[in-house]
Amino acid sequence: AQSVAQPEDQVNVAEGNPLTVKCTYSVSGNPYLFWYVQYPNRGLQFLLKYITGDNLVKGSYGFEAEFNKSQTSFHLKKPSALVSDSALYFCAVRAYGSGNTGKLIFGQGTTLQVKP
Amino acid sequence: GAGVSQSPSNKVTEKGKDVELRCDPISGHTALYWYRQRLGQGLEFLIYFQGNSAPDKSGLPSDRFSAERTGESVSTLTIQRTQQEDSAVYLCASSLRGINEQFFGPGTRLTVL
Repeated sequence: AQSVAQPEDQVNVAEGNPLTVKCTYSVSGNPYLFWYVQYPNRGLQFLLKYITGDNLVKGSYGFEAEFNKSQTSFHLKKPSALVSDSALYFCAVRAYGSGNTGKLIFGQGTTLQVKP
Repeated sequence: GAGVSQSPSNKVTEKGKDVELRCDPISGHTALYWYRQRLGQGLEFLIYFQGNSAPDKSGLPSDRFSAERTGESVSTLTIQRTQQEDSAVYLCASSLRGINEQFFGPGTRLTVL
């Protein structure tokens, strides 16, 4: 069965410091991996995705994520956090191949709090 | 261009009533998804439409839940005989095809009293 784990409910970081939001996954076959961000009272916004190719993926708002197949991880990173990055972040996975639909399996979410 | 839109944005109903939620996907997107997000939790997949193929209904929690989509346009999610545990935000998403990133609407917040 496919699953996603975000081991931290909340991550606190000071503005200007680097941030990491962790994600590990379990899927049969090769994964498609996604990060989404949700601001209060708003829908989810797509940040970035890994399908194939370079393990380091760059996305919106200066975020990037590193795919590590051996560790089945897809951690979200940003070199210098902004207060405006404070939001709820979701990691999601789907498997590709015959018989697989496009449905995403989401982690429980990690709240990022960036303090001035 | 216009994003995914959903209506109503908020719906308060009494236990036992039926509700209908609407989703307008991005024009040209062949894939459409419904998810449910309970308070403080991640998203739970409900149903997936891809073009004219049979929908993937594997996430629907009970036979009180159903959804329809006409072609590649509007979709409606219907919950019959609502229960308090149905209270959640219902999110709709669309994508160009099933393998592409999904774009989400703002959601409908359903409260069952």
